[in-house]
Amino acid sequence: ETGVTQTPRHLVMGMTNKKSLKCEQHLGHNAMYWYKQSAKKPLELMFVYNFKEQTENNSVPSRFSPECPNSSHLFLHLHTLQPEDSALYLCASSRILANTGELFFGEGSRLTVL
Amino acid sequence: QQQVKQSPQSLIVQKGGISIINCAYENTAFDYFPWYQQFPGKGPALLIAIRPDVSEKKEGRFTISFNKSAKQFSLHIMDSQPGDSATYFCAALSSNTGKLIFGQGTTLQVKP
Repeated sequence: ETGVTQTPRHLVMGMTNKKSLKCEQHLGHNAMYWYKQSAKKPLELMFVYNFKEQTENNSVPSRFSPECPNSSHLFLHLHTLQPEDSALYLCASSRILANTGELFFGEGSRLTVL
Repeated sequence: QQQVKQSPQSLIVQKGGISIINCAYENTAFDYFPWYQQFPGKGPALLIAIRPDVSEKKEGRFTISFNKSAKQFSLHIMDSQPGDSATYFCAALSSNTGKLIFGQGTTLQVKP
């Protein structure tokens, strides 16, 4: 139990569907992140939120839409995805990363786009 | 642009052997180098980390060796055990930017 909970753990969706991934952290952290993990690739940072404000969008296609209503919750809204978007989506949280260097990851949401 | 290069991509070691994973970086602004361990079905978790003012850090069977001039660092797992089988990611952080860059990962299998 890392203190970061992601739901759903598995998701299968068609290219025309709309779905959302949810992340909740119980660690009192002020920063939350979305990462994409594909086979044989480095972890790809997608979005960063600090104190609910988006501070980084790493050139992510608009079919991925993040939402951070408060410092404990983070969503990733998905629409009109492509099969190449199939991957493990990891949520993470941290205190000020520059000071601690440590991310706390959830177990991920395995997404399959048909 | 791959700022942190990790090798090998996969590694098979016999139980009791030494596992060695290497990473190289380019940006001299990096000042914190963590290693993350990821078991199947789990998210990565911090394993051990080093700052560039020391050349080695040891925690139990896990040791980081750091060569600042060569811009390289490595993870050594002594007396490797089947329970160490996982994917290992090196990373580099610049405290100025707060950006953490990951390597590609190494899948380690320790055979009994």
